[in-house]
Amino acid sequence: DAKTTQPPSMDCAEGRAANLPCNHSTISGNEYVYWYRQIHSQGPQYIIHGLKNNETNEMASLIITEDRKSSTLILPHATLRDTAVYYCIVRVAPYNTNAGKSTFGDGTTLTVKP
Amino acid sequence: DAGVIQSPRHEVTEMGQEVTLRCKPISGHDYLFWYRQTMMRGLELLIYFNNNVPIDDSGMPEDRFSAKMPNASFSTLKIQPSEPRDSAVYFCASWTRGLAKNIQYFGAGTRLSVL
Repeated sequence: DAKTTQPPSMDCAEGRAANLPCNHSTISGNEYVYWYRQIHSQGPQYIIHGLKNNETNEMASLIITEDRKSSTLILPHATLRDTAVYYCIVRVAPYNTNAGKSTFGDGTTLTVKP
Repeated sequence: DAGVIQSPRHEVTEMGQEVTLRCKPISGHDYLFWYRQTMMRGLELLIYFNNNVPIDDSGMPEDRFSAKMPNASFSTLKIQPSEPRDSAVYFCASWTRGLAKNIQYFGAGTRLSVL
């Protein structure tokens, strides 16, 4: 799996958009970008994933650069409950033998402040 | 579905004792993963199974650790003998290739303290 680089921590004001960057410059053509978050002491929770197109769901938006070497997770209106560690992961396509295997880095600790 | 179920949620034991952690994956998921999380090393993949067969155990720290999956709905991670450095939160996750989103679902974890 490609290595990812994330800032160790970020702050965001409640109600504002939180933009979390991730660098994955060695990503391969068949690797997807996944984002998970881990709220204190809980198991990691899936947020969103994409290959090369921008994606949006009820939780967040994912913007992937055209060269796919970096991405940004956007929480449009951050709340206090969004305070968590956010992990950016790259993983091979589902049809690959090692598709399920994920390597988690250190993630970004997002603190949403009132 | 109730999600991935792990037991116990907390385990406190003494050094040298055997510890068994349990996991029930989401029904229909054919992959099961065991992770360990510590402050020093973050979230590490220990081993994963596909259709009850261990596929990659390269993350298992040493012979004191063993994992089994006797059937599709149950897996155990055993530490024998346990040591204080095994203190961590252990997560189980399950996944299936067949779903469109290919999402890995995690359990709530077992917090292990070895005294």
